[in-house]
Amino acid sequence: AQSVTQLDSQVPVFEEAPVELRCNYSSSVSVYLFWYVQYPNQGLQLLLKYLSGSTLVKGINGFEAEFNKSQTSFHLRKPSVHISDTAEYFCAVTTSQAGTALIFGKGTTLSVSS
Amino acid sequence: NAGVMQNPRHLVRRRGQEARLRCSPMKGHSHVYWYRQLPEEGLKFMVYLQKENIIDESGMPKERFSAEFPKEGPSILRIQQVVRGDSAAYFCASSPAGRYEQYFGPGTRLTVT
Repeated sequence: AQSVTQLDSQVPVFEEAPVELRCNYSSSVSVYLFWYVQYPNQGLQLLLKYLSGSTLVKGINGFEAEFNKSQTSFHLRKPSVHISDTAEYFCAVTTSQAGTALIFGKGTTLSVSS
Repeated sequence: NAGVMQNPRHLVRRRGQEARLRCSPMKGHSHVYWYRQLPEEGLKFMVYLQKENIIDESGMPKERFSAEFPKEGPSILRIQQVVRGDSAAYFCASSPAGRYEQYFGPGTRLTVT
């Protein structure tokens, strides 16, 4: 079975500072990894995904993530955050069989202040 | 291309009533997933459906919950005899056949009074 751990439940940062949201996973099979963002009272928007190939994945809104198989991590980074990045971020994993459920971490609330 | 649509966005039911949540997948998507988000928790998988078939319902509570995805029309998540513990946000996601990423709707927020 797969599991996802998001190591920080809340991350407060100042505007224009860099940020890293941490995600570790466990799985006995190959996995595919995703980051989603959820703004208040909205659905989840796909930020980026790792399926194969380059371990550095670029997504929308200036976010990127790096897949590290040896450390079973998929941390999300942004070099300079904006107030509008304030939201909840979810890391998710699924197996290499298409059509299987996503397993989500509990989420990290990113709060950006001026 | 319209995204995943869910309705209603908000639903209030009294204990013992039935709740019906609807989901229309993105055009061209044949796979539908339902997830539940409880306060202070992440999203939990409930059920995965393709047209007229339930593929995986391992996350569905054994009683009172059912789901369908008919040949025509939206997918329906049905909760009978709701209890306060059913209060949550219910999200539907869809994906095209053979793809791994899922696209989410805005959710239905169910409140049981």
